[in-house]
Amino acid sequence: AQSVTQPDIHITVSEGASLELRCNYSYGATPYLFWYVQSPGQGLQLLLKYFSGDTLVQGIKGFEAEFKRSQSSFNLRKPSVHWSDAAEYFCAVGALGGGADGLTFGKGTHLIIQP
Amino acid sequence: DAEITQSPRHKITETGRQVTLACHQTWNHNNMFWYRQDLGHGLRLIHYSYGVQDTNKGEVSDGYSVSRSNTEDLPLTLESAASSQTSVYFCASSESWNTGELFFGEGSRLTVL
Repeated sequence: AQSVTQPDIHITVSEGASLELRCNYSYGATPYLFWYVQSPGQGLQLLLKYFSGDTLVQGIKGFEAEFKRSQSSFNLRKPSVHWSDAAEYFCAVGALGGGADGLTFGKGTHLIIQP
Repeated sequence: DAEITQSPRHKITETGRQVTLACHQTWNHNNMFWYRQDLGHGLRLIHYSYGVQDTNKGEVSDGYSVSRSNTEDLPLTLESAASSQTSVYFCASSESWNTGELFFGEGSRLTVL
């Protein structure tokens, strides 16, 4: 069975500092990988996704993520965070060619931005 | 703009009562999903539908039902609410069956007393 682990429940970063959120997955075949963001009181919004090809993918709001097959990781990065980036971040994995019902979400990482 | 809306946004009910959460999307997406979000569990799939008259059980479907009579709506019904169903519920839709790009509503917070 596929699984997603986000090791950090909470992360605190100073405004303007760089950010890296970790995501490790377990999946037997070629995975679809996603990062979603949830602002307070809102639904989830897709930041970026990886299907195949270039292992460094660019997303919205200045975020990027790198797929590392050897490490089963898909870490999310941003070079300089803004106070508006404070939110809950979810990594998700699905089967390449599989239905969206097969998505497995991580438990989330809560990002706190210090002034 | 196209959107997905959930109602009510907040509801308090009593154990044993029937509750229906509405979900309406204007993207004309065939694929719709219901998730619940609980602290320490992330998002878990309750039910989903890939088209009119199609419904399927997800990971945590016990005590819930859905029906799909048109493309726009996928109401979620709790037949007899239990305290364990206190949660935040999210409806989502997607255009393509297999891209995994979901569009989420803003959520419905349900409290069962």
